[in-house]
Amino acid sequence: GQNIDQPTEMTATEGAIVQINCTYQTSGFNGLFWYQQHAGEAPTFLSYNVLDGLEEKGRFSSFLSRSKGYSYLLLKELQMKDSASYLCAVNQAGTALIFGKGTTLSVSS
Amino acid sequence: GAGVSQSPRYKVAKRGQDVALRCDPISGHVSLFWYQQALGQGPEFLTYFQNEAQLDKSGLPSDRFFAERPEGSVSTLKIQRTQQEDSAVYLCASRRDRGGYEQYFGPGTRLTVT
Repeated sequence: GQNIDQPTEMTATEGAIVQINCTYQTSGFNGLFWYQQHAGEAPTFLSYNVLDGLEEKGRFSSFLSRSKGYSYLLLKELQMKDSASYLCAVNQAGTALIFGKGTTLSVSS
Repeated sequence: GAGVSQSPRYKVAKRGQDVALRCDPISGHVSLFWYQQALGQGPEFLTYFQNEAQLDKSGLPSDRFFAERPEGSVSTLKIQRTQQEDSAVYLCASRRDRGGYEQYFGPGTRLTVT
């Protein structure tokens, strides 16, 4: 079967650092994506990892370990606008994405 | 440039009615995907087109769901004889391919079946 797990909810304060974990078990692997989705809006692309290691892009970084079936999204210098749902998704066969249920992040002042 | 657009943004249908949801992908994008997102859940794959060819429809929940992309651009997702369990947000995404891996999502159509 295929399974993608991530925490349902997380809270943090402005200026802090938060790490959102994602574990996956899929029959194939062709890359892992992180998307951000504000309520009522389209998911927007944050990062893509296909090889092991850390990808950094401004305040956001994403890590992948294929042998462990594990990824995390690291958000630094949190801002109120970062309050959103964060979706971990695996590209299993080069076509459709398999999504986790999403992690709702609430940032407070 | 313009992103992926979907219409209508909101649709209320009475149980048993047919609905048609439209997706305009980014110009030149080869691949097009439809996903269904229930409240509080991640998107779930429905179907995938490469140009006009429907290469994967394994996620369509029943034969009441039908999708087409006749000219390899605009796509329509049709749901016949809607049921309450069809209530969800229907997301469309397109991908450039030929070196592009990111899927660009539209804002979705929120379907409510009463």
